[in-house]
Amino acid sequence: AQKVTQAQTEISVVEKEDVTLDCVYETRDTTYYLFWYKQPPSGELVFLIRRNSFDEQNEISGRYSWNFQKSTSSFNFTITASQVVDSAVYFCALSEALGFQKLVFGTGTRLLVSP
Amino acid sequence: ETGVTQSPTHLIKTRGQQVTLRCSSQSGHNTVSWYQQALGQGPQFIFQYYREEENGRGNFPPRFSGLQFPNYSSELNVNALELDDSALYLCASSLGRDREADTQYFGPGTRLTVL
Repeated sequence: AQKVTQAQTEISVVEKEDVTLDCVYETRDTTYYLFWYKQPPSGELVFLIRRNSFDEQNEISGRYSWNFQKSTSSFNFTITASQVVDSAVYFCALSEALGFQKLVFGTGTRLLVSP
Repeated sequence: ETGVTQSPTHLIKTRGQQVTLRCSSQSGHNTVSWYQQALGQGPQFIFQYYREEENGRGNFPPRFSGLQFPNYSSELNVNALELDDSALYLCASSLGRDREADTQYFGPGTRLTVL
């Protein structure tokens, strides 16, 4: 069975601090996808990134970066120089790569960035 | 490009009633998935429709049913509402392909309250 664990329930930082959100996953599949979504107070889940299990290259997009380590089954997300607009709940999710695309989500990490 | 839309935004029902939630998929997408998100939890997969057929189902009872129409919009129906059905219902659309899972893009959700 697939499982995603986000052990950090809530993180509070001050603007301009760097913050890392942890994600650990479990799957028996050899091919799978990992995702991060952002959920602002409005409720809509906003897609941030998708990573194929065969691609362990780290990725950077502006202030966002992702560290995928298959050896530790982790897919961590770092926000550099955090801003108040980054305040939201962040979800890590996992899906099998073939067949239907059920997403298995973690319980989310609430990030509070204060000015 | 039009994103995923859902209606209504909010809904209040009483126990035992029936409810229908609607979703319009993003332009060009042929797959719709529905998720239930209880307060403080990650979204839970209900089911998925691909080209008007149910393509997979999560651990939800049969009183949760759905439809997908030729224009790929979708409905989620819930019969005999229970208090625990109170949640945010999220619809996601994606471009379904036979061999590879695709990114799911979410709508703003419908918040259902059952009294």
